[in-house]
Amino acid sequence: AQRVTQPEKLLSVFKGAPVELKCNYSYSGSPELFWYVQYSRQRLQLLLRHISRESIKGFTADLNKGETSFHLKKPFAQEEDSAMYYCALNTDKLIFGTGTRLQVFP
Amino acid sequence: NAGVTQTPKFRVLKTGQSMTLLCAQDMNHEYMYWYRQDPGMGLRLIHYSVGEGTTAKGEVPDGYNVSRLKKQNFLLGLESAAPSQTSVYFCASSYEEISSYNEQFFGPGTRLTVL
Repeated sequence: AQRVTQPEKLLSVFKGAPVELKCNYSYSGSPELFWYVQYSRQRLQLLLRHISRESIKGFTADLNKGETSFHLKKPFAQEEDSAMYYCALNTDKLIFGTGTRLQVFP
Repeated sequence: NAGVTQTPKFRVLKTGQSMTLLCAQDMNHEYMYWYRQDPGMGLRLIHYSVGEGTTAKGEVPDGYNVSRLKKQNFLLGLESAAPSQTSVYFCASSYEEISSYNEQFFGPGTRLTVL
């Protein structure tokens, strides 16, 4: 079955702490994965895609096919990172995980 | 460029009423999508369209109908609203089919409550 799992509904950290938002997927084909972010009262927007292998707003994500994971990481969280984060898998349509709310306290 | 816009922003319906949500995009995108977002369930695809005059079912199509008469517009209809359809509805569009090189752009959402 094609599935995206984000095990944490809520992740709370203090400013400056490292952050890791977990994402695991189940897919028989070659995966294409994305992270989308939704800031408060804003629309959903693409944060990064696995193929770009770039850092966006200090976030990185590495595709680990052996562990079927695509965890989102940032070494030092900022208050403005507080948002809802969704991992998504492309199966010719996007399948979204249930999302993780990141709260960064001052 | 307004991007993807949705009308209305909020709506309250009574059970059994009907309504239409309008999505418009000015990016000349071929593909358009309707999602619903529910707490603890993420975004789920309702219907989508791969071009003007086409529609297809997504993961949760029951109780909804769609039409794509014009390339820039994608309408989502609820013929007889039910409380289970209380949700936030998002429209999205993309130039081509989803890929690692192609991005979906989302609208601001419509918050619908069915009493």
